[in-house]
Amino acid sequence: AQRVTQPEKLLSVFKGAPVELKCNYSYSGSPELFWYVQYSRQRLQLLLRHISRESIKGFTADLNKGETSFHLKKPFAQEEDSAMYYCALIMNTDKLIFGTGTRLQVFP
Amino acid sequence: EAGVAQSPRYKIIEKRQSVAFWCNPISGHATLYWYQQILGQGPKLLIQFQNNGVVDDSQLPKDRFSAERLKGVDSTLKIQPAKLEDSAVYLCASSPRLAGGLFDTGELFFGEGSRLTVL
Repeated sequence: AQRVTQPEKLLSVFKGAPVELKCNYSYSGSPELFWYVQYSRQRLQLLLRHISRESIKGFTADLNKGETSFHLKKPFAQEEDSAMYYCALIMNTDKLIFGTGTRLQVFP
Repeated sequence: EAGVAQSPRYKIIEKRQSVAFWCNPISGHATLYWYQQILGQGPKLLIQFQNNGVVDDSQLPKDRFSAERLKGVDSTLKIQPAKLEDSAVYLCASSPRLAGGLFDTGELFFGEGSRLTVL
């Protein structure tokens, strides 16, 4: 069955520390993966997608098909990065399924 | 560009009552999604429309939930009768992407959500 797993409910770091939010997926087809973010009192919005291989707000994520992972990384966390982060998998019918989310807290 | 609009933002009802949520997607977006997000969990897809047809409703509790998108534009999600476990935020999202169509970004645009409390 298709599934997205985010093992950490909460990740707390200090400003300037590296951040890695873990995401593993299970999908028999060719995966298309995303990270969505929800800042306090804002809408859920796209952060980045694996096909773009882009860095957004200093975040990057690499798809590792061997480990079925799509971890989100940032070398130096900022206080404004504090938010809920959701890893998501889109299937061939455009059905987007989400993980349970990880709350990132960045302390000053 | 106007975003996805949802109403009402908040609703409190007693169990066994009914409730309806409305969503107006971004103009021109073919695909519309309704998600249920229970506190502490990720969004769960309830139903996906492409234009006015249903693409996926496998996780919609059809004995009490219904949804329609009659003209392929706005959509309504109804719960009747509501149960305590239906307390959640109901998110609507839209995408210009067509299933099986040309590859594009796959980005979903979300509304602010409708928070339902069932007492």
